[in-house]
Amino acid sequence: SQELEQSPQSLIVQEGKNLTINCTSSKTLYGLYWYKQKYGEGLIFLMMLQKGGEEKSHEKITAKLDEKKQQSSLHITASQPSHAGIYLCGAGHKAAGNKLTFGGGTRVLVKP
Amino acid sequence: DGGITQSPKYLFRKEGQNVTLSCEQNLNHDAMYWYRQDPGQGLRLIYYSQIVNDFQKGDIAEGYSVSREKKESFPLTVTSAQKNPTAFYLCASSVDNYGYTFGSGTRLTVV
Repeated sequence: SQELEQSPQSLIVQEGKNLTINCTSSKTLYGLYWYKQKYGEGLIFLMMLQKGGEEKSHEKITAKLDEKKQQSSLHITASQPSHAGIYLCGAGHKAAGNKLTFGGGTRVLVKP
Repeated sequence: DGGITQSPKYLFRKEGQNVTLSCEQNLNHDAMYWYRQDPGQGLRLIYYSQIVNDFQKGDIAEGYSVSREKKESFPLTVTSAQKNPTAFYLCASSVDNYGYTFGSGTRLTVV
């Protein structure tokens, strides 16, 4: 099955600073999803990327998929306490009932 | 509003006991999934179902069982064969390739 590596595993940023999370796959990605999770809660959908070189933004969060479709990054500009949580990337399988494989997650803490 | 409802939010299981986690969706999604999340880790797929009366094993199906008798419902039973069931369980549903909608999770603890 597809394996996804997320880095870093955790990070602490000062409020107002930028941060970047990476998600790397050993295989070509056929749909890359970013989710956010508050502790003990379900996952909230952030963005989906499908095309090589694609970039999407929502408020202060930008996600990119590289041209080779094997790496994605999630960038948060001017972080706020509301950005704290666990960020997970998930990748679809080309022919497997739309199963998603998830990375190990990145825990983000924003210091006020 | 449409969504996925998981119950209960917290569940305690004694050694050797079977327990069933509920997952109900009113989104009219065909596919449903069960994931397990351990502390500090990502999600691992237990079982998934693409259509009523059909389901497939995921990566860690041993010690679990499911049924899909109705489109709206996909209950997960954690059997006594599952030796380390303490975890956070998440149910999700999807349609086509538009990602998943997740429930709020059930935290299972063995006592």
